[in-house]
Amino acid sequence: EDKVVQSPLSLVVHEGDTVTLNCSYEVTNFRSLLWYKQEKKAPTFLFMLTSSGIEKKSGRLSSILDKKEPFSILNITATQTGDSAVYLCAVGGYGSGTYKYIFGTGTRLKVLA
Amino acid sequence: DGGITQSPKYLFRKEGQNVTLSCEQNLNHDAMYWYRQDPGQGLRLIYYSQIVNDFQKGDIAEGYSVSREKKESFPLTVTSAQKNPTAFYLCASSIVQPFNQPQHFGDGTRLSIL
Repeated sequence: EDKVVQSPLSLVVHEGDTVTLNCSYEVTNFRSLLWYKQEKKAPTFLFMLTSSGIEKKSGRLSSILDKKEPFSILNITATQTGDSAVYLCAVGGYGSGTYKYIFGTGTRLKVLA
Repeated sequence: DGGITQSPKYLFRKEGQNVTLSCEQNLNHDAMYWYRQDPGQGLRLIYYSQIVNDFQKGDIAEGYSVSREKKESFPLTVTSAQKNPTAFYLCASSIVQPFNQPQHFGDGTRLSIL
């Protein structure tokens, strides 16, 4: 059965800390891995990764994929209170003629001032 | 601006009642999805549709029904057969081809039982 496992489930840090969120997966016919940030409502898209070893970067956030293990990490440096959110990992796989995403349970990050 | 609109934001259901959640998109996306999110759990797929007049069951379709009569609209009905409907419901859309396109989400509908 396809599954996506995120760790840790929750994390509390202080402003300025660096955090690393993990996402491991077992998905048939892997096509892509996506990271989303969910504050109160709609998840907002952060990164999409399809190739191993290529880092995607946006400001203080970065992510990388290892298809061999397989897993991905999301790094946030110099955290701010505005980074407090649930971070979701989703893996896209292609099977039975359709393309679907499997979501992990998310990591709840709280950044204290 | 293009986006996905879900309504209502909050909905209350009485015992034995069917309720319908609305999802409209103006992104010209072919694919639309419904997810359910419970506390401490990830998003679970209820139904999805990749083309008008066609849809497939996701992992937790029991007690739910959908229709896709127009490209822009993908309403979800929570029937009385769904015994535990209290959850946060998210609608999403994406381009179908090429694959590997991120999904865009609406702001969600929070459903509770009276």
